[in-house]
Amino acid sequence: SQQGEEDPQALSIQEGENATMNCSYKTSINNLQWYRQNSGRGLVHLILIRSNEREKHSGRLRVTLDTSKKSSSLLITASRAADTASYFCATGGEETSGSRLTFGEGTQLTVNP
Amino acid sequence: NAGVTQTPKFQVLKTGQSMTLQCAQDMNHEYMSWYRQDPGMGLRLIHYSVGAGITDQGEVPNGYNVSRSTTEDFPLRLLSAAPSQTSVYFCASSRRVAGLARNTQYFGPGTRLTVL
Repeated sequence: SQQGEEDPQALSIQEGENATMNCSYKTSINNLQWYRQNSGRGLVHLILIRSNEREKHSGRLRVTLDTSKKSSSLLITASRAADTASYFCATGGEETSGSRLTFGEGTQLTVNP
Repeated sequence: NAGVTQTPKFQVLKTGQSMTLQCAQDMNHEYMSWYRQDPGMGLRLIHYSVGAGITDQGEVPNGYNVSRSTTEDFPLRLLSAAPSQTSVYFCASSRRVAGLARNTQYFGPGTRLTVL
């Protein structure tokens, strides 16, 4: 079963607006990651936030993590048409199982020019 | 570095046929994984490996075999293809770093498999 659940499933915004996607998970985690997938392509890692971190920034991306609510959000500021893609959260467990990421079902983001 | 490469990019099989999906990485990563992605869904882990000679099952291992004889290669074998295995298959690798888990995964471009 999927660990992460993204919300909303689909999001359509205008260029320049901010996009916020949410992810909820069920079990304890070591870290949470966000990936982007352009249509027909592989996934690309965007950002990793550890369980002891609450917020992290990378360029136009801002990720928050609330371990008490088992939730995370990804904010993309000043969106561009090139940000159109599917975004997935993935939760990672212990270091010894470093291969094992559990993915959510993704949010399809469309940024209209 | 080429990163993670997968072959073939596309494949059509008939029910009952067998085949091997190839995956290779040139980053000397210890961890490698196979996922499948079905329409409108996230990725589901099939098998994974934490190093040469070591493999383990993921969430959906039935119908698939793997082996890891070298650090670089991690082939996925379909023993007897079924229509339910029609999917896009992604291989990924990641590096083991002491201390906190830093299992950022690097993905290959995927193999689109259709089983008729």
